[in-house]
Amino acid sequence: DAGVIQSPRHEVTEMGQEVTLRCKPISGHNSLFWYRQTMMRGLELLIYFNNNVPIDDSGMPEDRFSAKMPNASFSTLKIQPSEPRDSAVYFCASSLSSENYGYTFGSGTRLTVV
Amino acid sequence: SQKIEQNSEALNIQEGKTATLTCNYTNYSPAYLQWYRQDPGRGPVFLLLIRENEKEKRKERLKVTFDTTLKQSLFHITASQPADSATYLCALLTSGTYKYIFGTGTRLKVLA
Repeated sequence: DAGVIQSPRHEVTEMGQEVTLRCKPISGHNSLFWYRQTMMRGLELLIYFNNNVPIDDSGMPEDRFSAKMPNASFSTLKIQPSEPRDSAVYFCASSLSSENYGYTFGSGTRLTVV
Repeated sequence: SQKIEQNSEALNIQEGKTATLTCNYTNYSPAYLQWYRQDPGRGPVFLLLIRENEKEKRKERLKVTFDTTLKQSLFHITASQPADSATYLCALLTSGTYKYIFGTGTRLKVLA
């Protein structure tokens, strides 16, 4: 398995533009997480999907953020409109639905909003 | 408020020594605790999981302890090597919940 695949690896966009981040989880994993990492706040959970259904989106900063998981092999995180304070590294992680398993993280998308 | 604390200062140790990293928590009752390794520009990589009823877990040169009385986990790397240099994160999951909450990590540098 190629692991969790995220694209793009880097994204530079202007303030106000729409940004879409993509994630392909590991086949067979039924839990998917989107995290954001900054120096100041560390890793913050944005949203959690189980069996393609959003279970908890309480970490999504505001209405400008949205996430979808149309099927078991694909998820997107969209920011519209983007703002400079959204600049961070965004990670997608997948896991089996059990606390006994660790998460497998992708390599992340480094987002810079100018 | 709930808090997970890892030493934000980098830990420098000499090759061959044992590195010990600390994860302290307050206002949590974690049922599970995990440790991850993160290299620059990469996502965290899962290393070990320990349950609240386990005192210690080992994997090769790694050892994790979990003291629910002290509200602390210690992560040890024995016979450390320069390749062990990375940031190490702890993550906690409270019983009845489904999401791990991460600490901010401690950067380890092993000097040759």
